[in-house]
Amino acid sequence: GDSVTQKEGLVTLTEGLPVMLNCTYQTIYSNAFLFWYVHYLNESPRLLLKSSTDNKRTEHQGFHATLHKSSSSFHLQKSSAQLSDSALYYCALSDRYGSSGNKLIFGIGTLLSVKP
Amino acid sequence: EAAVTQSPRNKVTVTGGNVTLSCRQTNSHNYMYWYRQDTGHGLRLIHYSYGAGNLQIGDVPDGYKATRTTQEDFFLLLELASPSQTSLYFCASSSNSQNTLYFGAGTRLSVL
Repeated sequence: GDSVTQKEGLVTLTEGLPVMLNCTYQTIYSNAFLFWYVHYLNESPRLLLKSSTDNKRTEHQGFHATLHKSSSSFHLQKSSAQLSDSALYYCALSDRYGSSGNKLIFGIGTLLSVKP
Repeated sequence: EAAVTQSPRNKVTVTGGNVTLSCRQTNSHNYMYWYRQDTGHGLRLIHYSYGAGNLQIGDVPDGYKATRTTQEDFFLLLELASPSQTSLYFCASSSNSQNTLYFGAGTRLSVL
């Protein structure tokens, strides 16, 4: 079945260093949609960015990711970490585009901790 | 802005207890979902619904029932709560045409 792998459970960085959170996925569907959701402490999880277009960079709020179908990857990056980026980041997969049943499959999440 | 409201925000019950978690969305979305969040497991889908009276089984349904009474309201029922159901529960909604989930603030449930 479909699955999402986030290998790092915890990433600790010093402020100002680049961020890279890894996400790989498995699906039999060619029209996979990949998402990054961010969950700040005491808030609701919310969409950070999403993509279904192969090899196209998607950006939002300083973060970016590129879907690479050849390697089934959708890594989240940022050039310079800020203290306010500390949060739990989920990679998620949907095998349907804009159709009924947006049943997302989430990875286990990566907790990003940015230190001064 | 999409709005999903969960109640209660915190709940403590005993093993064998009966618990109902409530969720209301004012987004006019057809789809509603119940997830549980656990360290090391991420967000796991319990049940979901695509409209009033409809119920679909998710990935971790055992021990849970759900009911969608209206387009706005989706309830999660734990009829015989167990300590393994101690978790943070999130409700979410989405529309037919957009595959973005809008989450509520969560309900933290402790089963003693």
